[in-house]
Order: sequence, then C-alpha cells, then structure tokens
Amino acid sequence: RKEVEQDPGPFNVPEGATVAFNCTYSNSASQSFFWYRQDCRKEPKLLMSVYSSGNEDGRFTAQLNRASQYISLLIRDSKLSDSATYLCVVNQENRDDKIIFGKGTRLHILP
Amino acid sequence: EPEVTQTPSHQVTQMGQEVILRCVPISNHLYFYWYRQILGQKVEFLVSFYNNEISEKSEIFDDQFSVERPDGSNFTLKIRSTKLEDSAMYFCASRGGQGNNYEQYFGPGTRLTVT
Repeated sequence: RKEVEQDPGPFNVPEGATVAFNCTYSNSASQSFFWYRQDCRKEPKLLMSVYSSGNEDGRFTAQLNRASQYISLLIRDSKLSDSATYLCVVNQENRDDKIIFGKGTRLHILP
Repeated sequence: EPEVTQTPSHQVTQMGQEVILRCVPISNHLYFYWYRQILGQKVEFLVSFYNNEISEKSEIFDDQFSVERPDGSNFTLKIRSTKLEDSAMYFCASRGGQGNNYEQYFGPGTRLTVT
C-alpha cells in the first residue's frame, strides 16, 4: 500500500458547486496532516492543517478519520481560482521532520 | 508577509558539474528542508536541517548532496556532480518549530536542468 494515496482526478466541477477529496495514508502512527495546493509549476502552498476534531477555514473544511486512516477536504461554493492540484501531506510516523506527499488530485473549476 | 526565497529561479548545467542552490528561509524559523519534484511526479523529501546539522535524510540524498547554513540567513543545497536524472524543481521549505506547529512554508523553487 502506498504511503499516501489520492485519486489523481481530474475533477471537473462547475463554478459554485461543492467538491470533496479523500486521501488515505498507510502509517497508523502518523500524527500531522496537511492539505497543500499547487498550481502548475509553482511551489506547494499550505492550505490548512488537519486536526483530529476537524477544522474549517472559510469555504474549506478538513476532516481526519484515524480509524480508517483517511483525511478529507471539502470545498464549498467553488471558485475558478480554486483550480489547482491539491496535495495530501502526512508525516512519517513520529518523525515530524519527514513529511510524505501524495501525488495530488487535480481540480478544474468550469465557468 | 514573510516568505521563503530561492535563487536562481532556473539553473542550467552540464552533467558532471557542481551546482549550489540557495535559499533564504523565513527569518525566525528554526527548521529547514529541501525537496525535489521531477516533472509530473510527486514532491519528494530530501533532507531536513536543525541546529546546524542534518536531522533526517531520504534515500535520494546520497553522497552527491550536501547542505549548509553558511551564515544566519542562507541555506544551501549542493549537488557535487550532477546527473541527468537530477533535473527537477528543487524546493526549500522552513518551519518555525515553536510549540506544536509543524507547518512548513515553501519557496518558489529552483528549476534545475542538467544537459
């Protein structure tokens, strides 16, 4: 099983719709979870950390399910500017200094 | 808003040459990282650096690679003898380290092309 696995997409979603991505991770000892977004040929930008209790930042909601070892990202009222690749990032066991990236899920918001 | 900066933005070099990629992390950050991303592939961890020494490194980070913090602001990645397969985007990242904050912030990257 891959360390961090994501559906590569692309997800083609009309503007204003709600879209959700999941990501599964293999190591049950992982403690830190993040969503980053990456635009074409740009650096990963931190979107949000994912906390055990779930967290929300504006139109974005992240959830963690430790029992099933997945994290999710929900985007409400999607905008054209949300088009990007969304990267699931998980630390390797208790080694917080080593984070593992998923390959990303591509999202296209359609006008 | 403070940000990580990297130079150069694009470096072209011949196989076998040495390259040094430079990064200026966010000024009050304590942990520094290098990652690479081969075109079309995922971001891969190379090395982490804290308190003037390497704290973690991946299998990719072999003897051809080294890192240094030569002064209070710069953080460099040196590749001693470049190979064609070293062509990639190289990202520097930093994090504060205070409390439980493990959030890493990335620079814009250096695109390395080895010919």
